[in-house]
Amino acid sequence: EPEVTQTPSHQVTQMGQEVILRCVPISNHLYFYWYRQILGQKVEFLVSFYNNEISEKSEIFDDQFSVERPDGSNFTLKIRSTKLEDSAMYFCASSEVAVATEQYFGPGTRLTVT
Amino acid sequence: AQTVTQSQPEMSVQEAETVTLSCTYDTSENNYYLFWYKQPPSRQMILVIRQEAYKQQNATENRFSVNFQKAAKSFSLKISDSQLGDTAMYFCASYLSGNTPLVFGKGTRLSVIA
Repeated sequence: EPEVTQTPSHQVTQMGQEVILRCVPISNHLYFYWYRQILGQKVEFLVSFYNNEISEKSEIFDDQFSVERPDGSNFTLKIRSTKLEDSAMYFCASSEVAVATEQYFGPGTRLTVT
Repeated sequence: AQTVTQSQPEMSVQEAETVTLSCTYDTSENNYYLFWYKQPPSRQMILVIRQEAYKQQNATENRFSVNFQKAAKSFSLKISDSQLGDTAMYFCASYLSGNTPLVFGKGTRLSVIA
């Protein structure tokens, strides 16, 4: 069964460094998402992406964040200058347009900012 | 704006027993989708069950079923014949369509006790 994959599974970085989290959505999906889950808290929407541009973004998704689909398969989330409070689990998700009823989640990347 | 509320931070159930997890939501829309996601300790979120708001019939998926009360904006999850593998965090979520952000509740941590 097709699935969303994410790399790395765990990323440790120092405050102020740039990180790139990578996702490979399901191949025939056209909508892509990033969500964040700070430890012990609920999952929060960051951004959605369609047709090579951002469709929607939350208040969390400030100028330190950017997303990109550099090729036909990868979908990346970049944090330019990480802060301690960026430590969280980051989930990528994707969905089909035609069957707009389910978003499929990847396993997540645990980001630890020290 | 959509909101999802889960009022039970933690619950426990004996193996083979039945447990019900509560969820309420608020939306001004008439068409939307509701979901229960399971997040085991391995942390990948897995879709358990979904309900389309326009369907009156409650969704069922093997041991999992929902009690969808549209007028009351309630969407509870019933797990029958609980198994140790059901131990996980359960999130209730909703969205308007497959290309809009999922809105999550804070989750209920379920422990199945042998």
